[in-house]
Amino acid sequence: GAGVSQSPRYKVTKRGQDVALRCDPISGHVSLYWYRQALGQGPEFLTYFNYEAQQDKSGLPNDRFSAERPEGSISTLTIQRTEQRDSAMYRCASSLSRESNQPQHFGDGTRLSIL
Amino acid sequence: AQKITQTQPGMFVQEKEAVTLDCTYDTSDPSYGLFWYKQPSSGEMIFLIYQGSYDQQNATEGRYSLNFQKARKSANLVISASQLGDSAMYFCAMREGPGNTPLVFGKGTRLSVIA
Repeated sequence: GAGVSQSPRYKVTKRGQDVALRCDPISGHVSLYWYRQALGQGPEFLTYFNYEAQQDKSGLPNDRFSAERPEGSISTLTIQRTEQRDSAMYRCASSLSRESNQPQHFGDGTRLSIL
Repeated sequence: AQKITQTQPGMFVQEKEAVTLDCTYDTSDPSYGLFWYKQPSSGEMIFLIYQGSYDQQNATEGRYSLNFQKARKSANLVISASQLGDSAMYFCAMREGPGNTPLVFGKGTRLSVIA
């Protein structure tokens, strides 16, 4: 498909393990965003990239969270030493350009459950 | 203060009727953009409509229109001729400043369309 692709769709892991969440944006999209969505709430910003450059990581909760987009396409969000409070839906979005009127197109998300 | 306020946790509308979902926002930046997204029970996030702060006319996209009242800082979504498939969670979101800054979402309104 031509949409934003996230993998895995579901991830269950034990507390203390590291996890890596992958996002493959729409081809040619310059900007890539990571959000976290709790049940019944709107998404909350984590970090975003223009091309390979990380523009803003102010939404990352703590230093266990990191993200990269080394070639300006696929991005990985990594959570080290996971905790139960990290359980949530993690969503990736991409937009075509840096123009302010460009919508963000969301992937279906990765549902992360920490046991 | 919340950046985006959606005061209606849940709304009901009769099929084929019009419905207005409320959204108020808070920003001191003269340049901003307002977005509406639909999230069905399947979980995807679907972009519906965009309004820029400098746009003179209210945005429209098919059955969706945005009632933008800048002085009141409101950006209500109007859905005309409601259909059963419109039943979903609806999120209002704002981007502040020029360029592709991240979105801040409201808590959402759950719309139920009744046959």
